[in-house]
Amino acid sequence: DAMVIQNPRYQVTQFGKPVTLSCSQTLNHNVMYWYQQKSSQAPKLLFHYYDKDFNNEADTPDNFQSRRPNTSFCFLDIRSPGLGDAAMYLCATSRDLGGTGGRQPQHFGDGTRLSIL
Amino acid sequence: KNEVEQSPQNLTAQEGEFITINCSYSVGISALHWLQQHPGGGIVSLFMLSSGKKKHGRLIATINIQEKHSSLHITASHPRDSAVYICAVPNYGGSQGNLIFGKGTKLSVKP
Repeated sequence: DAMVIQNPRYQVTQFGKPVTLSCSQTLNHNVMYWYQQKSSQAPKLLFHYYDKDFNNEADTPDNFQSRRPNTSFCFLDIRSPGLGDAAMYLCATSRDLGGTGGRQPQHFGDGTRLSIL
Repeated sequence: KNEVEQSPQNLTAQEGEFITINCSYSVGISALHWLQQHPGGGIVSLFMLSSGKKKHGRLIATINIQEKHSSLHITASHPRDSAVYICAVPNYGGSQGNLIFGKGTKLSVKP
């Protein structure tokens, strides 16, 4: 089945040690999103790719970077994780053919739960 | 920026009960999403609707664009319906699909 796959499901890293989370999709969607969700809070958009164009949210810390080497894959890099970065990280995709924006459903992965030691 | 309010925040029901979760937003939108998130899990998109009503199994979603209000109904609720239900609307006037999420309604259905 076409889907959004996030790896790993659980990631433990040390304070300050760089970590990379991955997301892949078989939906051939042109938009990919990374959200951060802390306990009992709503997901918060970190950034998204519209095709190859990277769009960073204004309040996303510089510590967070992203790469999209091709349509199918997108990575979230946290350069120096702090304790406050422990959260669930959700990847989502959608198809935007231009001007239809939010009318397209977003497909979410199962998330990666990141813990910081 | 659109403000999304959901009510109630927490809801406990007995198996078989009819459940309603409400969502209101402040700025006109092109479409509204209802999402489901199970504990520790990812998010599943339940509905995306721009007018009227949609039904999928025991789930029904309605929206009133003029009143900027949507409801999610669950008929004959079951313990497996226990999850957080999230309402989301587009950001930036609907361009590029960015979503603003409500804080969610945590539903617990007791057997």
